[in-house]
Amino acid sequence: EAGVAQSPRYKIIEKRQSVAFWCNPISGHATLYWYQQILGQGPKLLIQFQNNGVVDDSQLPKDRFSAERLKGVDSTLKIQPAKLEDSAVYLCASSPPGGGNTGELFFGEGSRLTVL
Amino acid sequence: AQTVTQSQPEMSVQEAETVTLSCTYDTSESDYYLFWYKQPPSRQMILVIRQEAYKQQNATENRFSVNFQKAAKSFSLKISDSQLGDAAMYFCAYRAPNKFYFGSGTKLNVKP
Repeated sequence: EAGVAQSPRYKIIEKRQSVAFWCNPISGHATLYWYQQILGQGPKLLIQFQNNGVVDDSQLPKDRFSAERLKGVDSTLKIQPAKLEDSAVYLCASSPPGGGNTGELFFGEGSRLTVL
Repeated sequence: AQTVTQSQPEMSVQEAETVTLSCTYDTSESDYYLFWYKQPPSRQMILVIRQEAYKQQNATENRFSVNFQKAAKSFSLKISDSQLGDAAMYFCAYRAPNKFYFGSGTKLNVKP
């Protein structure tokens, strides 16, 4: 079974530039999450999708961050314009409908963003 | 509000020894899941062990076991016979009903 795919793995940009990250969840996983993980900290939820609808985006800085999940499958997270404090690893995770048998999240390898 | 607290930012253990990582959580739910995830440096976060709150028996996975104290809202991870490959960040996580909350993590160093 293929895991959660993310790209790019690494991205370096100047402040005020834009960047986009892509995530393809495990097939059949209805719930998709984007987390921001700043170095030395735990993951912080940015947005949660159920199929192609938003369940929770309360911590998404909507003035600069946007995310979409067209057709309820893959998702894109965009930052425009980027700030220095956006330097972090952006983790995508997915879970089956209702959490499945185990309730766990399945993570991708993450996209590391450096803003100079 | 649900919160997860890991009070040990960093710990060290000698290879082959045992170490325990602490985690407490706050919730008003009665049915939930608890997890320990491992994140090696620049590597993917993977599940180590999970516990359903309704189960009184502590979960075990090979060298990894938990001490789940529901009344105390405590969920510690014990790693026995520590190996060099156990060196990583460990995150405690709570799920209920369809939201996850993570602790700030404990960095585990394993000394040869």
